[in-house]
Amino acid sequence: AQTVTQSQPEMSVQEAETVTLSCTYDTSENNYYLFWYKQPPSRQMILVIRQEAYKQQNATENRFSVNFQKAAKSFSLKISDSQLGDTAMYFCAFMKPRFGNEKLTFGTGTRLTIIP
Amino acid sequence: DAGVTQSPTHLIKTRGQHVTLRCSPISGHKSVSWYQQVLGQGPQFIFQYYEKEERGRGNFPDRFSARQFPNYSSELNVNALLLGDSALYLCASSQGGVANTEAFFGQGTRLTVV
Repeated sequence: AQTVTQSQPEMSVQEAETVTLSCTYDTSENNYYLFWYKQPPSRQMILVIRQEAYKQQNATENRFSVNFQKAAKSFSLKISDSQLGDTAMYFCAFMKPRFGNEKLTFGTGTRLTIIP
Repeated sequence: DAGVTQSPTHLIKTRGQHVTLRCSPISGHKSVSWYQQVLGQGPQFIFQYYEKEERGRGNFPDRFSARQFPNYSSELNVNALLLGDSALYLCASSQGGVANTEAFFGQGTRLTVV
């Protein structure tokens, strides 16, 4: 079974600064996907960024980028030029792709607060 | 376009009762998954349905059941409610059938068992 660990329950950073959220995972699979989801107080989970394990290049989406270290089973999220709207819970998630079954395994989350 | 819609948004039930939660996926999506998110934790996978067939089940007791209808909407049923069933129940839809599709989540149903 896969496990996902987020060791930072809470983080805070000044607006416009850069922050990095950590995530490690454990799996014996070679082909898988990793995700970062954002959950604001509205409760809706929003996909921030996705990484395919077979791709060596780290994924980027505007101010969001990841540092994917497959051998170390590490998947950190970097948020640059942080904004007040980035305040939310952030969840790291793992998925082993199977036809018709895209089960996500989530970590316990990191509560990120952006300070004005 | 409408996103994933869940109903009701909030619900209060008494121990021992039964509850039905509903989810309508994004138009064109054939896969629906259910997750339970207890306060302070990450979501836990309960079920996935694709083309009206159960394709995955998490480590939940038989009191939890689900089904998917011909229009791809889904219901999650929980019998004999316990206090520990109090949680946010999230529904996610995806196109399904192709393994790397994005899951879109609804805003969840907040269930409180008293």
